[in-house]
Amino acid sequence: DQQVKQNSPSLSVQEGRISILNCDYTNSMFDYFLWYKKYPAEGPTFLISISSIKDKNEDGRFTVFLNKSAKHLSLHIVPSQPGDSAVYFCAATYTNAGKSTFGDGTTLTVKP
Amino acid sequence: DADVTQTPRNRITKTGKRIMLECSQTKGHDRMYWYRQDPGLGLRLIYYSFDVKDINKGEISDGYSVSRQAQAKFSLSLESAIPNQTALYFCATSDSGTGSTEAFFGQGTRLTVV
Repeated sequence: DQQVKQNSPSLSVQEGRISILNCDYTNSMFDYFLWYKKYPAEGPTFLISISSIKDKNEDGRFTVFLNKSAKHLSLHIVPSQPGDSAVYFCAATYTNAGKSTFGDGTTLTVKP
Repeated sequence: DADVTQTPRNRITKTGKRIMLECSQTKGHDRMYWYRQDPGLGLRLIYYSFDVKDINKGEISDGYSVSRQAQAKFSLSLESAIPNQTALYFCATSDSGTGSTEAFFGQGTRLTVV
């Protein structure tokens, strides 16, 4: 049973437009969610997170939205830049778990 | 220098061989993790350690073992490598003291079992 799902393996957007990456989860115990970005030949790096007590968190061009009732979160990148082209992983955890469960990732391509 | 260093970066080994992947960190974090990534799949947790005396199995621990030699070192062993263990392996750390579960990853080890 995959507890964190990213149903879109890939997404292609034009530079300057909005990128929206989606993530669904099934475990109601999850109360903290993270997004990581991964470039080829590198390890994932943390991008942004959100606690379940919030429904939105913003950091520059990156905004994460959380809909607890739908068990859904999304990452918005505005405006998208070619350097944003990477694999984006959604991850979820719960208080005191100390470890995260990852989705399969979405490959974002931003075309100049 | 990288905060989380994995060695080797690439390795080709034969079926049945024992192999060790090493991870060291200079971040001073207490928690360390080993993940595996297969093409088109996410990161799956193999083992994790919350301190030197604490080792826990992850979701795919069969065929693997680990050793936490010091707070800064966490090694992953394949006792008898098999081809379906061909994958990209990542070591990661996190700091329980911050209350954050943000993980810091090494650059990965690409392992091929032939």
